[in-house]
Amino acid sequence: GAVVSQHPSRVICKSGTSVKIECRSLDFQATTMFWYRQFPKQSLMLMATSNEGSKATYEQGVEKDKFLINHASLTLSTLTVTSAHPEDSSFYICSSKTGTGLNTEAFFGQGTRLTVV
Amino acid sequence: KNQVEQSPQSLIILEGKNCTLQCNYTVSPFSNLRWYKQDTGRGPVSLTIMTFSENTKSNGRYTATLDADTKQSSLHITASQLSDSASYICVVSSGGSYIPTFGRGTSLIVHP
Repeated sequence: GAVVSQHPSRVICKSGTSVKIECRSLDFQATTMFWYRQFPKQSLMLMATSNEGSKATYEQGVEKDKFLINHASLTLSTLTVTSAHPEDSSFYICSSKTGTGLNTEAFFGQGTRLTVV
Repeated sequence: KNQVEQSPQSLIILEGKNCTLQCNYTVSPFSNLRWYKQDTGRGPVSLTIMTFSENTKSNGRYTATLDADTKQSSLHITASQLSDSASYICVVSSGGSYIPTFGRGTSLIVHP
């Protein structure tokens, strides 16, 4: 299947600093990528949909100025958590879809565990 | 409102035993249903994907079923192994926009 690579897998940062998470599609072109957040023992929550060459679409309640998304190429999307605070500590996962119509399928990155201290 | 409900929330079984996980959904219009396995601290990995015309699909020891009339799906794991310990997530996509609805997952623990 398609491969989505996410980096870093773990990051610890000080409160007030910014953290960038990268998501790369390794063997296909991803016109659309999705960014999720997952709290312990909870389901994935969609934060935003990232489209190559245009502004990301954010879900209700997600601060676009805090979670900056850039999708400048067909193989790379980045999520920057700006001025991180302890409550931003979470597991962040990206995914990209392949296929069309009924056979559309999502492939996920490995996830990034963010801890803000 | 599109919803995906999974049961049980957690399950503990002995190595070698079989188990079945359930997924009920109210997503409409239905596009496809996927089961994912998520190991702790890792991203989900696709196990099966089924459209409305498919009733069953297998991937090794994993067999998924789909009843589009009752909007139910199950994931059957045969001869469980310790490495099967993970969270299993049911994801249903709606229409042509793809945006998926995630279940909360079933946490499976396989004991030796």
